[in-house]
Amino acid sequence: AQRVTQPEKLLSVFKGAPVELKCNYSYSGSPELFWYVQYSRQRLQLLLRHISRESIKGFTADLNKGETSFHLKKPFAQEEDSAMYYCALRETSGSRLTFGEGTQLTVNP
Amino acid sequence: SAVISQKPSRDICQRGTSLTIQCQVDSQVTMMFWYRQQPGQSLTLIATANQGSEATYESGFVIDKFPISRPNLTFSTLTVSNMSPEDSSIYLCSVRGTAKNSPLHFGNGTRLTVT
Repeated sequence: AQRVTQPEKLLSVFKGAPVELKCNYSYSGSPELFWYVQYSRQRLQLLLRHISRESIKGFTADLNKGETSFHLKKPFAQEEDSAMYYCALRETSGSRLTFGEGTQLTVNP
Repeated sequence: SAVISQKPSRDICQRGTSLTIQCQVDSQVTMMFWYRQQPGQSLTLIATANQGSEATYESGFVIDKFPISRPNLTFSTLTVSNMSPEDSSIYLCSVRGTAKNSPLHFGNGTRLTVT
């Protein structure tokens, strides 16, 4: 069965510092990986997905199949990045998402 | 992306009662799902709401406890039946569009407290 692991429940950095939110997965096929973000009092929303290879709000994430990881990175964190971040996996031929436990990011001034 | 309206946004209910949560989408979508997010935990899929047929439930969830309807491609309901305090949670509707590889989008959720 597929599994998504986010080892850090809490992550705190200072404004302007680099940030990396870790995500590891286990799945026997070729998965689709996503990062979702939930700002305070807002709905869960898609941040980015590996097939798009895009940078959203300065965040990037590279799928590393060898390490089965999909870490989310940003070189210079901003206070408005403070939020809950979820890594999620979708099976190759499926629709359901499996979510990690989430990482609460706090960017301090 | 689709606009998803979920209601109620929150409710406080007594144990033993039932609550029906509605999810309305502004466009036709192929897939609709119901998730649960218990306090301090991640999202867990309850079931896939199938249009015109019975929902597909995940392990640990049953139709008697969480009956789901999906009469058309834009609307679904989830009922939390015979509630107990353990059902206190956020319930989320999510949808997937018709395009290939469409991501999931989520409603605002329903925060349920059972006393």
